[in-house]
Amino acid sequence: KQEVTQIPAALSVPEGENLVLNCSFTDSAIYNLQWFRQDPGKGLTSLLLIQSSQREQTSGRLNASLDKSSGRSTLYIAASQPGDSATYLCATPRGSQGNLIFGKGTKLSVKP
Amino acid sequence: NAGVMQNPRHLVRRRGQEARLRCSPMKGHSHVYWYRQLPEEGLKFMVYLQKENIIDESGMPKERFSAEFPKEGPSILRIQQVVRGDSAAYFCASSPRQGPPEGYTFGSGTRLTVV
Repeated sequence: KQEVTQIPAALSVPEGENLVLNCSFTDSAIYNLQWFRQDPGKGLTSLLLIQSSQREQTSGRLNASLDKSSGRSTLYIAASQPGDSATYLCATPRGSQGNLIFGKGTKLSVKP
Repeated sequence: NAGVMQNPRHLVRRRGQEARLRCSPMKGHSHVYWYRQLPEEGLKFMVYLQKENIIDESGMPKERFSAEFPKEGPSILRIQQVVRGDSAAYFCASSPRQGPPEGYTFGSGTRLTVV
């Protein structure tokens, strides 16, 4: 049974700092892994999607990596800004049906 | 393309009433997934539907919850005789095809409060 874990549950950093959010999964046979951002009281915004054959994806200041053998993905945020404050979720599909298994998220606070 | 539309954004129901949550997928998407986010919990899968078919309802509570996705119109998640424990944010996502998706698009959610 696939389980997704995100550590830490909360993270507070000063503006400008580079940071890494962690996501681990128990079954390495994944199809892909998706990172989302959720603002308080809002929906989910897709940030990056890494296919199982890829090692990383980049979008602006964000870089996501995937290491299936170790069951880990990381989301790297460069030069953090207060506007990056949100909860970051990772998720991977359950088999071929595609419904996602989510971690509980990391709540990021970037202090000005 | 307005994206995945959910309404209402907020819904308040008294215990015992019915709640109806609507989800209109993105244009061209015929697959809809519903998720529930309980306070301080992660998102949990509830049900996966295609037009006129329930494909996987393994995450749905056995009683009081039902879902449909008719040929015309939005997908509906229906909760009968709501209880306080049903208070949560309900999200739907859509995709253009079955199988490991190329990425989900989520709606903004419906926040249900049972009083």
